Amino acid sequence: EVQLLESGGGLVQPGGSLRLSCAASGFIFNSFVMTWVRQAPGEGLEWVSAISGRGTNTNYADSVKGRFTISRDNSKNTLYLHMKSLRAEDTAVYYCAKFSENEWWRPVDYWGQGTLVTVSS
Amino acid sequence: EIVMTQSPATLSVSPGERATFSCRASQSVSSNLAWYQQKPGQGPRLLIYGASTRATGIPARFSGSGSGTEFSLTISSLQSEDFAIYYCQHYNTWPLTFGGGTKVEI
Repeated sequence: EVQLLESGGGLVQPGGSLRLSCAASGFIFNSFVMTWVRQAPGEGLEWVSAISGRGTNTNYADSVKGRFTISRDNSKNTLYLHMKSLRAEDTAVYYCAKFSENEWWRPVDYWGQGTLVTVSS
Repeated sequence: EIVMTQSPATLSVSPGERATFSCRASQSVSSNLAWYQQKPGQGPRLLIYGASTRATGIPARFSGSGSGTEFSLTISSLQSEDFAIYYCQHYNTWPLTFGGGTKVEI
């Protein structure tokens, strides 16, 4: 059974930093593209970033480019999202999710339960 | 970026009724279109990919159609567990984008 368990969310001040983690199990982690998607309170879904199976290729939404860094440790089956220069508009539930294959143009087939990040003074 | 527009925003239906809602892309996404279901406090669940292929374990009452810029999702006979928010998403190019969602309510 595929499981994705996010952690690391919390309250952070504007301009601060945070690192999210996602522990994956139930599949061969390094064989799939992984991604982060966020959802502001009461709003829809916004794709944030994606990383290839080996971690050599990454992509970012314009809204987070230069501030967020996606990475993965395949030896630990863990996905990360390093966030800096956080803004109030980054407040959201952050979901870890996997693509259906190790290719870019594929659907996201499993999602975690999410971790809430609140940016406020 | 490709803008995904869903309609209606809210759909009120009774259990057992048929529900159909739409998703329009601002430019062609071929068949690289997925539908997700989200219930309160949960992560989304993949229902349909490739515009019309049901994901593993999804009941046959869910069906998707369309290609290019016009897509639809149909639930043939609504069950109580189907009341949720439904999102479409393209995976044709960066950035991936989602529609604003259709809330299906009783």
